Amino acid sequence: GAVVSQHPSWVICKSGTSVKIECRSLDFQATTMFWYRQFPKQSLMLMATSNEGSKATYEQGVEKDKFLINHASLTLSTLTVTSAHPEDSSFYICSANRLAGGQNIQYFGAGTRLSVL
Amino acid sequence: GENVEQHPSTLSVQEGDSAVIKCTYSDSASNYFPWYKQELGKRPQLIIDIRSNVGEKKDQRIAVTLNKTAKHFSLHITETQPEDSAVYFCAAPRTDSWGKLQFGAGTQVVVTP
Repeated sequence: GAVVSQHPSWVICKSGTSVKIECRSLDFQATTMFWYRQFPKQSLMLMATSNEGSKATYEQGVEKDKFLINHASLTLSTLTVTSAHPEDSSFYICSANRLAGGQNIQYFGAGTRLSVL
Repeated sequence: GENVEQHPSTLSVQEGDSAVIKCTYSDSASNYFPWYKQELGKRPQLIIDIRSNVGEKKDQRIAVTLNKTAKHFSLHITETQPEDSAVYFCAAPRTDSWGKLQFGAGTQVVVTP
């Protein structure tokens, strides 16, 4: 199967600090990964598309200087929440695109629950 | 861009009964429709998907039907079990960018014994 690992699963930090979240495709290469944010009982909200070897593209309303994305290899994308504040507390989930049967399919990481005090 | 609407938002069924969730989409060019299951605090998991060249696809107790003319697709779960309790999301490709998905709002399914 297609396995996507996301780390850490849970992080608590003080306001003003930065937090890095890693997303790895373990058994396949992913030139494209996605970062989502999910509020309780709500759908997945796409924040940005992470492209290996090039700049990430951000959805409208998402601050690129706040949410730094680096996709340095075909198996790793990182999301750094800079100068985190309580309003950044949320569930962040990554996904990686894998070509299967001629179709690009998104496989998700287990998510990171961020709590900013 | 693609607009995906999902109904109902919550669905309570007795164990053994069937559950049906429906999604509509707006872009007639969309050709791929996945369904994801997300248990509380867990990752969304792909449970079934369908491409626009077929009208129905089955995998044991779950099936997906697609009506391209009406631009809607549905998830059917038969003989529901308590472990089917979860939030289910439908999705369709976004038209503004390759590879992106537009997700429905989700359906909370509760299977009561």
